[in-house]
Amino acid sequence: EPEVTQTPSHQVTQMGQEVILRCVPISNHLYFYWYRQILGQKVEFLVSFYNNEISEKSEIFDDQFSVERPDGSNFTLKIRSTKLEDSAMYFCASSEGLAGGETQYFGPGTRLLVL
Amino acid sequence: AQTVTQSQPEMSVQEAETVTLSCTYDTSENNYYLFWYKQPPSRQMILVIRQEAYKQQNATENRFSVNFQKAAKSFSLKISDSQLGDTAMYFCACGNSGGSNYKLTFGKGTLLTVNP
Repeated sequence: EPEVTQTPSHQVTQMGQEVILRCVPISNHLYFYWYRQILGQKVEFLVSFYNNEISEKSEIFDDQFSVERPDGSNFTLKIRSTKLEDSAMYFCASSEGLAGGETQYFGPGTRLLVL
Repeated sequence: AQTVTQSQPEMSVQEAETVTLSCTYDTSENNYYLFWYKQPPSRQMILVIRQEAYKQQNATENRFSVNFQKAAKSFSLKISDSQLGDTAMYFCACGNSGGSNYKLTFGKGTLLTVNP
């Protein structure tokens, strides 16, 4: 069964450094998402992406964040200058369409630790 | 804005017994969907069951069923004949339908442990 994959599984970085989190969505899916979960808190929506542009972003997704689909398979989340509070588990998801209720399929997550 | 509340941070159940996980939500949308996702230890979230808000009939998937009370904005998950492999974090989520934007709003999760 097709799965969403994410790399790396864990990333440790110094505050102020740039990180790129990578995701490979399911191949026939058209919509892509990033969510994050700070330890002990809710899974929070960051951004959705379709047709090579952002569809919606949350207030968390400020100018430090960007997303890109650099080729036909990868979907990346870049944090330009990491802060301590960016430490979280980051989940990528994809869905086939947007027709109401389309199931989002999640990757295993990247645990980011900012020191 | 949507909110989802799971009031049980942790629950445990004996193998073969039945357990119910609670979820309440709030949304201003008329058309929305509700989901339960399961996240086993060190594994990704997978969909357990989904419910269309416009449907009155409760969704069922094998041992998993929901009790959807639209007026009360309640969406509980019942797991029958619990198995050891059901041990996981369970997240309730609400998503709105239609339009060009679609996102899920999650609860904080309930950690379910199935004991032998």
